[in-house]
Amino acid sequence: KQEVTQIPAALSVPEGENLVLNCSFTDSAIYNLQWFRQDPGKGLTSLLLIQSSQREQTSGRLNASLDKSSGRSTLYIAASQPGDSATYLCAVGGNTPLVFGKGTRLSVIA
Amino acid sequence: EAGVAQSPRYKIIEKRQSVAFWCNPISGHATLYWYQQILGQGPKLLIQFQNNGVVDDSQLPKDRFSAERLKGVDSTLKIQPAKLEDSAVYLCASSPRTSGFSTDTQYFGPGTRLTVL
Repeated sequence: KQEVTQIPAALSVPEGENLVLNCSFTDSAIYNLQWFRQDPGKGLTSLLLIQSSQREQTSGRLNASLDKSSGRSTLYIAASQPGDSATYLCAVGGNTPLVFGKGTRLSVIA
Repeated sequence: EAGVAQSPRYKIIEKRQSVAFWCNPISGHATLYWYQQILGQGPKLLIQFQNNGVVDDSQLPKDRFSAERLKGVDSTLKIQPAKLEDSAVYLCASSPRTSGFSTDTQYFGPGTRLTVL
């Protein structure tokens, strides 16, 4: 059974700092890995989707990497802004429904 | 392009009552998902529809939860009777293709926050 773990559970950083969020999964037989953002009282917004054959994906200040063999992914956020404050969830897709981690709650302090 | 619409946004009921949630996916999206997100947890899939048919409902508590997708478009999720542990946010999502389980980007609605007293 696939299990997804995200560390840390919460993170607070000053504006402008670069930061890394971590995601690990137990079963490396995945199709893809997705990073989502969730704002309070709102649904999830897909940020990046990495196919199992890819090593990384970039969108603006976001870069996500995937190492299937070690069961790890990282989300790198460059030059953080207060508007980046949200909960970030990773989810693993395979021959089963998406399995989500519990998320990392990020606060960027101005 | 309009996003996934859900209603109501909030609902408070007493245990043993019934409740229904409605979802309108993005136009043309073949696949529709219902998730349950308990506070502090990631979403858990309850049911996945592909057009009119059910792809996966293995985690749906069928003794009290039911769902249908009308004409392959809108969907309703019903709980009858509700229990205290059903308090959660119920998220609807849709994706464009009729692909397998989780190979496609999913677009989420704002969710319905259910409180069972």
